[in-house]
Amino acid sequence: EAGVTQSPTHLIKTRGQQATLRCSPISGHTSVYWYQQALGLGLQFLLWYDEGEERNRGNFPPRFSGRQFPNYSSELNVNALELEDSALYLCASSVTTGSNTEAFFGQGTRLTVV
Amino acid sequence: DQQVKQNSPSLSVQEGRISILNCDYTNSMFDYFLWYKKYPAEGPTFLISISSIKDKNEDGRFTVFLNKSAKHLSLHIVPSQPGDSAVYFCAASATNDYKLSFGAGTTVTVRA
Repeated sequence: EAGVTQSPTHLIKTRGQQATLRCSPISGHTSVYWYQQALGLGLQFLLWYDEGEERNRGNFPPRFSGRQFPNYSSELNVNALELEDSALYLCASSVTTGSNTEAFFGQGTRLTVV
Repeated sequence: DQQVKQNSPSLSVQEGRISILNCDYTNSMFDYFLWYKKYPAEGPTFLISISSIKDKNEDGRFTVFLNKSAKHLSLHIVPSQPGDSAVYFCAASATNDYKLSFGAGTTVTVRA
């Protein structure tokens, strides 16, 4: 069974540009989470999508946005890129059964803003 | 507002000995706790979890202990192996809000 897949693995953008990151969850998982891991820091929660809707959002500016498609894959968009957006962006997926369960992570997308 | 805290950024342990990683949380709504392991340039890998209705969960060399009154959990790795060298993240979630809140991580180095 395929795990969570993210693309691209690496992305280099110029300040002010837009970045689009993609995530395909594990088959059968309806929830997708996005996290940012900046250098030397822990995982900061960005967004949670379930059944196509945004369920929760972390403490990030509106230029961080995303969506979930009918096949449960997801995109994270970062507009007006800033140097401090350089980080590892991790996507995770989980089943939503009404109770807590573990989330499984992809390999991440390393975004570098120059 | 860091609701999950790992106050030890690093831990060095000799191969074969016990590794004990600690985690504290502040949100009393958290009722599910997890530990993840992360190697450089890879995504976190789920290790073990515990529900708030339990105070201990064991899986092979890994045991997680939960002290709800102290809002504290710990991960024990016995015996520690060189392949255990990684960053370990503590995470927590609450019923109906399944996003995970992570600690800052503890880097474990297992010495031969």
